[in-house]
Amino acid sequence: GAVVSQHPSRVICKSGTSVKIECRSLDFQATTMFWYRQFPKQSLMLMATSNEGSKATYEQGVEKDKFLINHASLTLSTLTVTSAHPEDSSFYICSASNGQGAWAFFGQGTRLTVV
Amino acid sequence: AQKVTQAQTEISVVEKEDVTLDCVYETRDTTYYLFWYKQPPSGELVFLIRRNSFDEQNEISGRYSWNFQKSTSSFNFTITASQVVDSAVYFCALRGDSGGSNYKLTFGKGTLLTVNP
Repeated sequence: GAVVSQHPSRVICKSGTSVKIECRSLDFQATTMFWYRQFPKQSLMLMATSNEGSKATYEQGVEKDKFLINHASLTLSTLTVTSAHPEDSSFYICSASNGQGAWAFFGQGTRLTVV
Repeated sequence: AQKVTQAQTEISVVEKEDVTLDCVYETRDTTYYLFWYKQPPSGELVFLIRRNSFDEQNEISGRYSWNFQKSTSSFNFTITASQVVDSAVYFCALRGDSGGSNYKLTFGKGTLLTVNP
């Protein structure tokens, strides 16, 4: 199957700093990428959808100024958590789609801890 | 609106037992896709199966089998002769095809399966 690489897998940062998470599709062109957040023992909640070259579409309740998403190429999307706070500590996972939509491939996830 | 319900929050079985994980979905789309993913403690999502709404054939893959019943909007997952390595959280997910959904997946809340030796 297609490969989606997410980096870093774990990050610890200080409160008030920003953290960037990368999501790369390694062997296909990802016209659409999705970013999910998962709190402990909970399901995956979609944060935003990004189409290459366009502004991301954020789900209700997700602060777009706090969670900056860039999808500048067909193989790379980034999520930047700005001015992170302890409540942003979570598992973030990206998913990439090839535009035909039927398939969604997931990255390995990033466990963010804000101290 | 789309919805996926996994009524079983946690299931605990003894190794070699068979176990069925339930999934019920709601969608207004006539074309849609259903997925099952496994999430081990490491966190990554492991793809297990994709089924489109026009294919109601049941599928078997080794110890895994899936029962798609469109009439009851269910897509249940059975593990035969469970093993300790099957312990994980299992998610059922739905993707509509109305265009407006923009191909995003709607996940159920997941079922934590614990297989005890």
